Amino acid sequence: GPKVLQIPSHQIIDMGQMVTLNCDPVSNHLYFYWYKQILGQQMEFLVNFYNGKVMEKSKLFKDQFSVERPDGSYFTLKIQPTALEDSAVYFCASSLGGARTEVFFGKGTRLTVV
Amino acid sequence: QQQVRQSPQSLTVWEGGTTVLTCSYEDSTFNYFPWYQQFPGEGPALLISILSVSDKKEDGRFTTFFNKREKKLSLHIIDSQPGDSATYFCAADNVGDNSKLIWGLGTSLVVNP
Repeated sequence: GPKVLQIPSHQIIDMGQMVTLNCDPVSNHLYFYWYKQILGQQMEFLVNFYNGKVMEKSKLFKDQFSVERPDGSYFTLKIQPTALEDSAVYFCASSLGGARTEVFFGKGTRLTVV
Repeated sequence: QQQVRQSPQSLTVWEGGTTVLTCSYEDSTFNYFPWYQQFPGEGPALLISILSVSDKKEDGRFTTFFNKREKKLSLHIIDSQPGDSATYFCAADNVGDNSKLIWGLGTSLVVNP
């Protein structure tokens, strides 16, 4: 089936540094998402992105977070500066349509902030 | 406050048995309910989904039931197989144009041969 690729699978970074998580969504998909999962806790919506813009973001999407997808390239999540509580698995996802359509997830990037 | 509650947290069944997972939700504006299956080291993958206008949807060994009045849904797996061992998440999406899945905590299922 369609694949969402996430690079890297694991990243360790010093607190206060910048990190960029990369996602290669399904090629013909138009909607892109980031979700955050802390070990043992539920998956939490961060942001959705369509037509070059953030459509909706949650309260977890702090001012230090930003997303972009320059034409034909990765959909990225940038955290600058990182904090200890940013340690989590970040899942990128994409879908062809908006709400109520199948969302495809990557394998996640495990971010460890030390 | 957790908007989507899922139970049980973990479950063990024998091969060939029936697995039943349940979910309840708070927000009456939720109208789309996907169930995702996740294997270790993988991302969640859509298993089956249901819209709030339906009360049942079946796909092979997997059936999801929806009760709008009680704000509950369930996932039934008949003839459970060891390969079904995974974590199962129910989720809910709202009436807006943009997807924003709200997730349960997941059920860890083990099917013993």
